[in-house]
Amino acid sequence: DAKTTQPNSMESNEEEPVHLPCNHSTISGTDYIHWYRQLPSQGPEYVIHGLTSNVNNRMASLAIAEDRKSSTLILHRATLRDAAVYYCILRDVGDSWGKLQFGAGTQVVVTP
Amino acid sequence: DAGVIQSPRHEVTEMGQEVTLRCKPISGHDYLFWYRQTMMRGLELLIYFNNNVPIDDSGMPEDRFSAKMPNASFSTLKIQPSEPRDSAVYFCASRRIDGSPLHFGNGTRLTVT
Repeated sequence: DAKTTQPNSMESNEEEPVHLPCNHSTISGTDYIHWYRQLPSQGPEYVIHGLTSNVNNRMASLAIAEDRKSSTLILHRATLRDAAVYYCILRDVGDSWGKLQFGAGTQVVVTP
Repeated sequence: DAGVIQSPRHEVTEMGQEVTLRCKPISGHDYLFWYRQTMMRGLELLIYFNNNVPIDDSGMPEDRFSAKMPNASFSTLKIQPSEPRDSAVYFCASRRIDGSPLHFGNGTRLTVT
């Protein structure tokens, strides 16, 4: 399985944007890029996913590099509620079972 | 939509006892996954089901662990006998179709003393 590399932690001030990088240099053409986050004492929750084009939803934006070897999750205005561990995961579109393998993720700290 | 429901929320038991964790997936979801989370190993996939049939249990640590899904609305993960190293948070997740997001429950925190 293609692997992802994320920083262990990032800090941000409240109401400022947060850019979370993810490197996936061995990504294949059929790998989707998924982002989940895990708030304290909760299960992970879906944030966003994409294949080649940038994606936006109500939670975040996903910017995918042209060569797809890296991507960035963008939280436009961080709130205290966004403090969580963010996971970048690759999933092969050919994997019909869709099992997700989680890495260590990035711990985001939001400061008031 | 009540989400994925897990019970109990917390379980404390003594080594050697049988432990049963329960999960009710979201109605209409065809896939169910059991994960375990520890500080040392992070989130590990244990087993997953499609239409109540176990598809891959290669992540189950040993024979002491077993999982069943008798119907579309209920699954159990059983540990017998339990050991202190089984202490972890166990998550259940479900999803509907290929490519749809996983929905996780809030987990069961298991402590084996």
